[in-house]
Amino acid sequence: AQSVTQLDSQVPVFEEAPVELRCNYSSSVSVYLFWYVQYPNQGLQLLLKYLSGSTLVKGINGFEAEFNKSQTSFHLRKPSVHISDTAEYFCAVSDRSSNYQLIWGAGTKLIIKP
Amino acid sequence: NAGVMQNPRHLVRRRGQEARLRCSPMKGHSHVYWYRQLPEEGLKFMVYLQKENIIDESGMPKERFSAEFPKEGPSILRIQQVVRGDSAAYFCASSPGTGGLANYGYTFGSGTRLTVV
Repeated sequence: AQSVTQLDSQVPVFEEAPVELRCNYSSSVSVYLFWYVQYPNQGLQLLLKYLSGSTLVKGINGFEAEFNKSQTSFHLRKPSVHISDTAEYFCAVSDRSSNYQLIWGAGTKLIIKP
Repeated sequence: NAGVMQNPRHLVRRRGQEARLRCSPMKGHSHVYWYRQLPEEGLKFMVYLQKENIIDESGMPKERFSAEFPKEGPSILRIQQVVRGDSAAYFCASSPGTGGLANYGYTFGSGTRLTVV
């Protein structure tokens, strides 16, 4: 069965520094990959998704992620974080055999230090 | 466009009581999905409903849990005789059609945090 691992439960980083949030998934023939963000007391919002094509995906708020099939990874990056990026970030995977079920990582809390 | 509305935001129940969680999908969305997030874990799929139909309930516990999405009104996730292990955040998502994640992705509500005391 598909599984998703987010290696860091918390990532503290100084404002304006770069950040990478890691996500690995178990091997599958083909997958769709997603990053969602949850701001405090809000719902989950789609940051970006990989369906096919270019392995570098750009999302909202300056985030991007790179799909690496050989390493089964989909790490999220931002070159310069802002205090408003403080949130929890979730990686999710869908096996293409299911067009509605997502398998989720446990989340990574991004903590921005001033 | 109000988005996906879930209420209540926080719900406290004593062991043995019933919990009813409501989800109103986005306007124009006819597909609803419920997920549960246990502490320190990722979201887990529970059930997928369309109006008046349960499409996939493979993630629902076999007992005490039920879900409906009537022709009129919100989707309801009902938990009977709650136990401490039911304490979690319950998220609802909606989508407009059958194209699934590739076409639509999900729009999520803010969740209901259930605490069983």
